[in-house]
Amino acid sequence: EVQLVESGGGLVQPGRSLRLSCAVSGFTFDDYAMHWVRQGPGKGLEWVSGLTWNGGTIGYGESVKGRFTISRDKAKNSLYLQMNSLRVDDTALYFCARAMVRGVISPFDPWGQGTLVTVSS
Amino acid sequence: EIVMTQSPATLSVSPGERATLSCRASQSVGNNLAWYQQKRGQAPRLLIYGASTRDTGIPARFRGSGSGTEFTLTISSLQSEDFAVYYCQQYYNWPPLTFGGGTKVEIK
Repeated sequence: EVQLVESGGGLVQPGRSLRLSCAVSGFTFDDYAMHWVRQGPGKGLEWVSGLTWNGGTIGYGESVKGRFTISRDKAKNSLYLQMNSLRVDDTALYFCARAMVRGVISPFDPWGQGTLVTVSS
Repeated sequence: EIVMTQSPATLSVSPGERATLSCRASQSVGNNLAWYQQKRGQAPRLLIYGASTRDTGIPARFRGSGSGTEFTLTISSLQSEDFAVYYCQQYYNWPPLTFGGGTKVEIK
């Protein structure tokens, strides 16, 4: 069974850092692009960042560019999101998602259940 | 950046009726368009990809259509479990991979 399990969320003060993790299982991690998507309280979905199967192409949403860094660790079957200089408007539920198709940019399937990040003083 | 616009924001429908949701792209995305369903407290679930192909296990009452810049998700004969928020997403060009703002389908 394919599983994605996020962790690392919590309450953090503005300006501080946090690192999210997404542990995956049930598929060959190296074969798929991976993404982070967030959802603010009562809001819609916002793509945050993604990287291709080999990390050769990495992208970020404008609102997080220069502050967030995505990475993947093949040995640990894990995806990460390093979040620096956090702002109140980064408060959201952060989902990890896998590309549906190996090797190419494709829709997201499946998704994890999310980890909540709250930025507040 | 390709901007995705969904309408209406909220759709009130009675059980058993049809719901028609729209999604417009600011430039052509070909058929690289997906639809997701999100129920309260849950992660989004992929319904449709390639603008019109249902994902595994998705009931036939969900139908996607369109290409280029105009897309439609039609849910025929709404069931109680279909009341949720629906998002479209383009995966034609990235970064970024953009979502529409969502359409909430509520019980009339």
